[in-house]
Order: sequence, then structure tokens, then C-alpha cells
Amino acid sequence: ILNVEQSPQSLHVQEGDSTNFTCSFPSSNFYALHWYRWETAKSPEALFVMTLNGDEKKKGRISATLNTKEGYSYLYIKGSQPEDSATYLCAFDGGSNYKLTFGKGTLLTVNP
Amino acid sequence: DGGITQSPKYLFRKEGQNVTLSCEQNLNHDAMYWYRQDPGQGLRLIYYSQIVNDFQKGDIAEGYSVSREKKESFPLTVTSAQKNPTAFYLCASSEGRLRLYNEQFFGPGTRLTVL
Repeated sequence: ILNVEQSPQSLHVQEGDSTNFTCSFPSSNFYALHWYRWETAKSPEALFVMTLNGDEKKKGRISATLNTKEGYSYLYIKGSQPEDSATYLCAFDGGSNYKLTFGKGTLLTVNP
Repeated sequence: DGGITQSPKYLFRKEGQNVTLSCEQNLNHDAMYWYRQDPGQGLRLIYYSQIVNDFQKGDIAEGYSVSREKKESFPLTVTSAQKNPTAFYLCASSEGRLRLYNEQFFGPGTRLTVL
């Protein structure tokens, strides 16, 4: 079973703070790395699909980077807002059989 | 309105009973998946199906069964052989082989409690 680790497990920040968290994954057999955002009582929704080493993607105040050689991806949130409170999941895609291996997630709470 | 529906949202069953969780999608996706989430754990894959009438075991298939008779439906049966069935169950779908990267779309989940 593949090891996909996310840190920290949980994070509390104040509104307006910028924050970041990490996803580490196997550096071999890499095909893609997915980031999802999962708000309480809602379905997980896709944020980014990262595929190339050095990729950097951005959606509004959220951005992500990818280092496939060392096996990590960072997710950054600039100027956190209470509506950013959610669990952020990363998922490793080794390219076979459409399977994704998920990390345990980082639970972000943004206090107003 | 395209999406994935799971019903019911909450389900209670007595120990020893089989129970079937529903998952329907109208996204015309080829691939469908069942995951389980427990406190402090990541999503763990139970079963997946790449195409109608075909499915494969995931990482924790013991005590579960599935069928894929129609493209839009992928029901999961939690059998009495599943030792710890109380959990949150998520269904997902993806375009599968039609798309380069396996972006999955999730339903709202079913919380199963076995009493």
C-alpha cells in the first residue's frame, strides 16, 4: 500500500493569515497528484491536478506547487477567510487502473 | 443538474444484517468507486469499476460486494461478514479511459451505523 502523508493534521489560523500545508508521496511511478477540498456536510471537490515537476497552479487565493523528484506538494492559501475552513485532501495517482491513494487530510479552521 | 447522488444520507442497521448503499451518477462517467472513511483515516478504496459489468477489489474489499449492471449505478452491499461496518461511505465517478487524468467527482456520502 502506498504511503501518502499530509501535514499538519489540523491547523487553526486567524482570518487574513496566509497558510500552507504539505502532501508527501512516493517519488517513483508518479503520474499525477490531486488536491481536493472537503467542506463539512458537502462532497469533496477537486481543486487541482498536478502533473509535471515544478508545476504551479492557482485558483483565486489558493495555489499549489509540485516537486515529483522529492515527492511533495504544497498547498498555499493567501489571506485565509472563514469560508476556506475545510479538510484539504491530496491523492496520489500512479497511473494504473484509475486508482487514487488519499492522504488523511489537513483540517483547516479559519477563525473570524 | 449533473452529479452523483447517494441515498440515504444516514442509515441504521442491526448487527448481522446486510445493507445496500445506493450510488447513482448522471455524468455519463465510465468509472465508479466506493470509499470508506473512518475517524483519523484517509479515504480507503473498497471497490471500483472501470466499465459496466466489470469491477475490481480495492484495498479493503473484504465483507463488501458490488454490482455494475448499469453505467449510472454502482450499489455497494455491506454484508454481515464486514467486521466494522460503521463508517462514512463515499461514492465517486470519473470519466475513466476517456480522460488523461483521473479526476474523481464525489457524492455527498452515506453514514452507516450498525447497532
